[in-house]
Amino acid sequence: NAGVTQTPKFQVLKTGQSMTLQCAQDMNHNSMYWYRQDPGMGLRLIYYSASEGTTDKGEVPNGYNVSRLNKREFSLRLESAAPSQTSVYFCASTPGPSNQPQHFGDGTRLSIL
Amino acid sequence: AQSVTQPDIHITVSEGASLELRCNYSYGATPYLFWYVQSPGQGLQLLLKYFSGDTLVQGIKGFEAEFKRSQSSFNLRKPSVHWSDAAEYFCAVGSRNAGNNRKLIWGLGTSLAVNP
Repeated sequence: NAGVTQTPKFQVLKTGQSMTLQCAQDMNHNSMYWYRQDPGMGLRLIYYSASEGTTDKGEVPNGYNVSRLNKREFSLRLESAAPSQTSVYFCASTPGPSNQPQHFGDGTRLSIL
Repeated sequence: AQSVTQPDIHITVSEGASLELRCNYSYGATPYLFWYVQSPGQGLQLLLKYFSGDTLVQGIKGFEAEFKRSQSSFNLRKPSVHWSDAAEYFCAVGSRNAGNNRKLIWGLGTSLAVNP
């Protein structure tokens, strides 16, 4: 089972460039999440999608947009990348509400120069 | 305010020694409780969870955790640590009423190093 697949695994951008991070899950989960992980700050929720067709802001949504393309796919877009968005980005999914165990992808390591 | 505290940022233990990682939470009601592990360069993997029932829960890789309501704690333990346990460990809590709150609250993590 692939589980949660994130692409790309690594990316370097210049300030001002745009980028879409892709996430797909093959577990027929309803809910999907985007987190960023920074040293000393743990995991912070950027956006989530409780079900296909819905998206909601998390703790740190500024500078990001998301699309729940279908039940499997949930993408994260940086329209104009900033150095402060250098981070490791994780996608996760749950069968239903977030109080169920979350399944994580391996992350996208994004550097913005 | 709701919060999760992992008091130890970094812990070093010798291989074969016992381990306890602390997790304290502040929440309006008894939440669902989770421990996740993150190996270097990997995503997070669920170790164990507490929803209800027996307050001592068993997880994967020989880990266990005990929920203590009176102390608002959910500490993770392992009797004998292996070198492969070196990783980052995260505690998280979630509402039992997920219809109103779809966000887990995460601790900042404890980094575990294992000496040979």
